[in-house]
Amino acid sequence: DQQVKQNSPSLSVQEGRISILNCDYTNSMFDYFLWYKKYPAEGPTFLISISSIKDKNEDGRFTVFLNKSAKHLSLHIVPSQPGDSAVYFCAGRDSGGGADGLTFGKGTHLIIQP
Amino acid sequence: DSGVTQTPKHLITATGQRVTLRCSPRSGDLSVYWYQQSLDQGLQFLIQYYNGEERAKGNILERFSAQQFPDLHSELNLSSLELGDSALYFCASSVEWTTGELFFGEGSRLTVL
Repeated sequence: DQQVKQNSPSLSVQEGRISILNCDYTNSMFDYFLWYKKYPAEGPTFLISISSIKDKNEDGRFTVFLNKSAKHLSLHIVPSQPGDSAVYFCAGRDSGGGADGLTFGKGTHLIIQP
Repeated sequence: DSGVTQTPKHLITATGQRVTLRCSPRSGDLSVYWYQQSLDQGLQFLIQYYNGEERAKGNILERFSAQQFPDLHSELNLSSLELGDSALYFCASSVEWTTGELFFGEGSRLTVL
């Protein structure tokens, strides 16, 4: 049972344009959603998060949108830069059991083309 | 540099063997998490420890076990290894839950031949 789904394994975007990465989830108990970025041979690094009580959170070039009714979130990167080329993981946290473990999607490989 | 240290970075072993992966969390972080990333898979949550005690279990096999020591470092023990255990194993740490940010190490790549 995949609670977090990233249906696009890869995405290619031209430099300067907008990158939109999508994520769907099934667990209604998620109270936080996070995006992590991963370069090859490195561990994932936190990018941006959003509480389930909000519908938008912005940090510089990165904006995350949450649509709770559709159980969908998206990450917008504007403008896209070559250094944004990486694998992006969407994650949700279900703290109902008192645990903090995140449930991750399989990731989307974003490729920024010059 | 996330401040989380994992050793070894690479490990090659044979089926049936046992290995131990080590993780030192960021200074001051009480929680340690272990994740497995297999080929074409996302990060699968294995187990979480908080201040020495097991707090949550995910999809961790019975052949795998972990512990967190008084100095807060953690070890993940993998035994009776199978080919399918070949994966990247990540350790992450956090102080407490705020925005949900976890700090990940660079991972230990395990290859079982």
